[in-house]
Amino acid sequence: DTGVSQNPRHKITKRGQNVTFRCDPISEHNRLYWYRQTLGQGPEFLTYFQNEAQLEKSRLLSDRFSAERPKGSFSTLEIQRTEQGDSAMYLCASSVGGQPQHFGDGTRLSIL
Amino acid sequence: QKEVEQNSGPLSVPEGAIASLNCTYSDRGSQSFFWYRQYSGKSPELIMFIYSNGDKEDGRFTAQLNKASQYVSLLIRDSQPSDSATYLCAVSSGGSNYKLTFGKGTLLTVNP
Repeated sequence: DTGVSQNPRHKITKRGQNVTFRCDPISEHNRLYWYRQTLGQGPEFLTYFQNEAQLEKSRLLSDRFSAERPKGSFSTLEIQRTEQGDSAMYLCASSVGGQPQHFGDGTRLSIL
Repeated sequence: QKEVEQNSGPLSVPEGAIASLNCTYSDRGSQSFFWYRQYSGKSPELIMFIYSNGDKEDGRFTAQLNKASQYVSLLIRDSQPSDSATYLCAVSSGGSNYKLTFGKGTLLTVNP
Protein backbone atom coordinates (compact mmCIF):
# COMPACT_ATOMS: atom_id res chain seq x y z
CA ASP A 1 0.00 0.00 0.00
CA THR A 2 1.85 3.06 -1.26
CA GLY A 3 -0.95 5.52 -0.58
CA VAL A 4 -2.66 7.98 -2.90
CA SER A 5 -0.14 9.78 -5.10
CA GLN A 6 -0.71 13.20 -6.62
CA ASN A 7 1.40 15.11 -9.11
CA PRO A 8 2.60 17.75 -9.27
CA ARG A 9 2.77 18.82 -5.63
CA HIS A 10 2.85 22.47 -6.59
CA LYS A 11 1.79 24.27 -9.74
CA ILE A 12 2.27 27.96 -10.43
CA THR A 13 0.72 29.30 -13.59
CA LYS A 14 -0.47 32.50 -15.16
CA ARG A 15 -4.13 33.39 -15.35
CA GLY A 16 -5.70 32.03 -18.49
CA GLN A 17 -3.42 29.00 -18.82
CA ASN A 18 -4.60 25.40 -18.70
CA VAL A 19 -3.37 23.04 -16.01
CA THR A 20 -3.70 19.29 -15.49
CA PHE A 21 -3.25 17.32 -12.28
CA ARG A 22 -2.82 13.59 -11.90
CA CYS A 23 -3.95 11.25 -9.14
CA ASP A 24 -2.93 7.63 -8.67
CA PRO A 25 -5.20 5.95 -6.12
CA ILE A 26 -4.33 3.16 -3.73
CA SER A 27 -4.20 -0.02 -5.79
CA GLU A 28 -7.47 -1.94 -5.86
CA HIS A 29 -9.44 1.12 -4.74
CA ASN A 30 -12.30 1.37 -7.19
CA ARG A 31 -13.58 4.74 -5.97
CA LEU A 32 -11.77 7.99 -6.62
CA TYR A 33 -12.73 11.49 -5.50
CA TRP A 34 -11.55 15.03 -6.14
CA TYR A 35 -11.92 17.81 -3.59
CA ARG A 36 -10.82 21.43 -3.44
CA GLN A 37 -9.65 23.14 -0.27
CA THR A 38 -9.04 26.85 0.25
CA LEU A 39 -7.38 28.45 3.26
CA GLY A 40 -9.42 28.17 6.44
CA GLN A 41 -12.04 25.92 4.87
CA GLY A 42 -12.67 22.22 4.85
CA PRO A 43 -12.34 20.30 1.59
CA GLU A 44 -15.24 20.71 -0.85
CA PHE A 45 -16.40 17.81 -3.00
CA LEU A 46 -15.84 18.21 -6.74
CA THR A 47 -16.44 14.86 -8.38
CA TYR A 48 -16.52 11.09 -7.87
CA PHE A 49 -15.59 8.07 -10.00
CA GLN A 50 -16.49 4.47 -9.49
CA ASN A 51 -14.08 2.57 -11.70
CA GLU A 52 -14.03 4.57 -14.97
CA ALA A 53 -17.53 6.04 -14.58
CA GLN A 54 -17.91 9.60 -13.34
CA LEU A 55 -21.02 9.31 -11.21
CA GLU A 56 -21.37 12.77 -9.74
CA LYS A 57 -20.12 16.27 -10.35
CA SER A 58 -20.55 19.17 -7.96
CA ARG A 59 -21.99 22.44 -9.19
CA LEU A 60 -18.60 23.82 -8.11
CA LEU A 61 -17.15 22.04 -11.13
CA SER A 62 -17.73 24.66 -13.81
CA ASP A 63 -17.43 24.04 -17.55
CA ARG A 64 -13.73 24.93 -17.28
CA PHE A 65 -13.12 21.85 -15.16
CA SER A 66 -12.99 18.32 -16.49
CA ALA A 67 -11.99 15.09 -14.86
CA GLU A 68 -11.31 11.69 -16.36
CA ARG A 69 -10.45 8.21 -15.20
CA PRO A 70 -10.09 6.41 -18.51
CA LYS A 71 -9.10 2.93 -17.38
CA GLY A 72 -10.42 2.99 -13.88
CA SER A 73 -6.96 3.49 -12.45
CA PHE A 74 -5.37 6.96 -12.38
CA SER A 75 -7.38 10.13 -12.84
CA THR A 76 -6.68 13.57 -14.25
CA LEU A 77 -8.28 16.89 -13.38
CA GLU A 78 -7.92 19.65 -15.96
CA ILE A 79 -8.71 23.32 -15.45
CA GLN A 80 -8.95 25.42 -18.59
CA ARG A 81 -8.49 29.19 -18.72
CA THR A 82 -7.49 29.39 -15.08
CA GLU A 83 -8.77 32.26 -12.93
CA GLN A 84 -7.51 33.77 -9.68
CA GLY A 85 -10.31 32.05 -7.81
CA ASP A 86 -8.99 28.65 -8.85
CA SER A 87 -6.05 29.02 -6.47
CA ALA A 88 -6.48 26.23 -3.94
CA MET A 89 -5.26 22.84 -2.82
CA TYR A 90 -6.70 20.11 -5.03
CA LEU A 91 -7.04 16.87 -3.11
CA CYS A 92 -7.60 13.39 -4.45
CA ALA A 93 -8.92 10.55 -2.30
CA SER A 94 -9.67 6.91 -2.92
CA SER A 95 -11.57 4.13 -1.25
CA VAL A 96 -12.78 0.61 -1.85
CA GLY A 97 -16.47 -0.06 -1.53
CA GLY A 98 -18.00 1.89 1.32
CA GLN A 99 -14.79 2.15 3.30
CA PRO A 100 -13.40 5.52 4.47
CA GLN A 101 -11.59 7.71 2.00
CA HIS A 102 -7.84 8.18 2.14
CA PHE A 103 -6.33 11.38 0.81
CA GLY A 104 -3.22 12.09 -1.21
CA ASP A 105 -0.83 14.93 -0.41
CA GLY A 106 -2.64 17.26 -2.77
CA THR A 107 -1.62 19.64 -5.54
CA ARG A 108 -1.33 23.27 -4.53
CA LEU A 109 -2.28 25.56 -7.41
CA SER A 110 -1.24 29.20 -7.45
CA ILE A 111 -2.50 31.55 -10.14
CA LEU A 112 -0.37 34.60 -10.86
CA GLN B 1 -27.65 22.94 1.74
CA LYS B 2 -26.20 20.23 3.93
CA GLU B 3 -24.00 21.76 6.60
CA VAL B 4 -21.41 20.59 9.06
CA GLU B 5 -20.54 23.00 11.85
CA GLN B 6 -17.46 23.04 14.04
CA ASN B 7 -16.01 25.60 16.42
CA SER B 8 -13.02 27.03 14.58
CA GLY B 9 -11.04 27.39 17.79
CA PRO B 10 -8.32 27.63 18.55
CA LEU B 11 -8.77 25.11 21.31
CA SER B 12 -5.82 25.13 23.65
CA VAL B 13 -5.18 22.36 26.17
CA PRO B 14 -2.16 21.45 28.33
CA GLU B 15 -0.17 18.33 27.60
CA GLY B 16 -1.77 15.27 29.21
CA ALA B 17 -5.27 16.77 29.29
CA ILE B 18 -8.36 15.60 27.43
CA ALA B 19 -9.21 17.55 24.29
CA SER B 20 -12.88 17.58 23.27
CA LEU B 21 -13.83 18.47 19.72
CA ASN B 22 -17.44 18.90 18.67
CA CYS B 23 -19.38 18.81 15.43
CA THR B 24 -23.04 19.20 14.46
CA TYR B 25 -24.63 18.38 11.13
CA SER B 26 -27.86 19.39 9.47
CA ASP B 27 -28.80 16.38 7.34
CA ARG B 28 -30.77 13.82 9.33
CA GLY B 29 -30.13 11.29 6.59
CA SER B 30 -26.41 11.28 7.34
CA GLN B 31 -25.13 7.80 8.02
CA SER B 32 -21.34 7.91 8.21
CA PHE B 33 -19.15 10.21 10.27
CA PHE B 34 -15.43 10.78 10.09
CA TRP B 35 -12.69 12.70 11.86
CA TYR B 36 -9.62 13.73 9.90
CA ARG B 37 -6.49 15.38 11.27
CA GLN B 38 -4.73 17.94 9.11
CA TYR B 39 -1.34 19.39 9.88
CA SER B 40 -0.56 22.79 8.40
CA GLY B 41 0.20 22.49 4.70
CA LYS B 42 -0.55 18.76 4.67
CA SER B 43 -3.50 16.67 3.52
CA PRO B 44 -6.24 15.26 5.76
CA GLU B 45 -5.42 12.02 7.58
CA LEU B 46 -8.20 9.70 8.74
CA ILE B 47 -8.32 9.39 12.53
CA MET B 48 -11.67 7.81 13.32
CA PHE B 49 -14.94 6.85 11.74
CA ILE B 50 -18.25 5.92 13.34
CA TYR B 51 -21.52 4.71 11.91
CA SER B 52 -23.67 3.83 14.95
CA ASN B 53 -24.90 5.75 17.95
CA GLY B 54 -22.64 5.52 20.97
CA ASP B 55 -18.90 5.52 21.50
CA LYS B 56 -16.04 4.06 19.51
CA GLU B 57 -12.57 3.93 21.00
CA ASP B 58 -9.21 3.55 19.26
CA GLY B 59 -6.18 4.09 21.45
CA ARG B 60 -6.25 7.64 22.83
CA PHE B 61 -9.14 8.61 20.55
CA THR B 62 -12.86 8.18 21.21
CA ALA B 63 -15.57 9.16 18.74
CA GLN B 64 -19.08 9.72 20.06
CA LEU B 65 -22.22 9.85 17.92
CA ASN B 66 -25.72 10.99 18.84
CA LYS B 67 -27.93 10.90 15.75
CA ALA B 68 -30.99 12.20 17.60
CA SER B 69 -29.07 15.37 18.49
CA GLN B 70 -27.18 15.36 15.17
CA TYR B 71 -23.95 15.62 17.09
CA VAL B 72 -20.59 13.90 16.80
CA SER B 73 -17.54 14.47 18.94
CA LEU B 74 -13.92 13.41 19.22
CA LEU B 75 -12.12 13.03 22.53
CA ILE B 76 -8.34 12.88 22.66
CA ARG B 77 -6.99 11.56 25.94
CA ASP B 78 -3.48 12.27 27.23
CA SER B 79 -3.05 15.00 24.61
CA GLN B 80 0.45 15.38 23.19
CA PRO B 81 2.06 18.34 21.43
CA SER B 82 2.11 16.20 18.29
CA ASP B 83 -1.70 16.24 18.38
CA SER B 84 -1.60 19.96 17.58
CA ALA B 85 -3.39 20.22 14.24
CA THR B 86 -6.71 21.10 12.64
CA TYR B 87 -9.37 18.45 13.14
CA LEU B 88 -11.94 18.13 10.38
CA CYS B 89 -15.35 16.59 10.90
CA ALA B 90 -16.84 14.99 7.78
CA VAL B 91 -20.26 13.54 7.13
CA SER B 92 -21.56 11.29 4.38
CA SER B 93 -25.22 11.03 3.51
CA GLY B 94 -27.42 8.67 1.62
CA GLY B 95 -25.73 5.44 2.55
CA SER B 96 -23.36 5.50 -0.38
CA ASN B 97 -20.53 6.87 1.69
CA TYR B 98 -18.96 8.66 -1.22
CA LYS B 99 -19.54 12.40 -1.00
CA LEU B 100 -18.10 13.87 2.16
CA THR B 101 -19.26 17.20 3.52
CA PHE B 102 -16.62 18.74 5.73
CA GLY B 103 -16.74 21.30 8.49
CA LYS B 104 -14.22 24.12 8.51
CA GLY B 105 -12.16 22.36 11.14
CA THR B 106 -11.10 23.09 14.71
CA LEU B 107 -7.52 24.13 15.39
CA LEU B 108 -6.16 22.28 18.43
CA THR B 109 -3.03 23.42 20.22
CA VAL B 110 -1.51 21.20 22.91
CA ASN B 111 0.87 23.14 25.11
CA PRO B 112 3.90 21.34 26.61
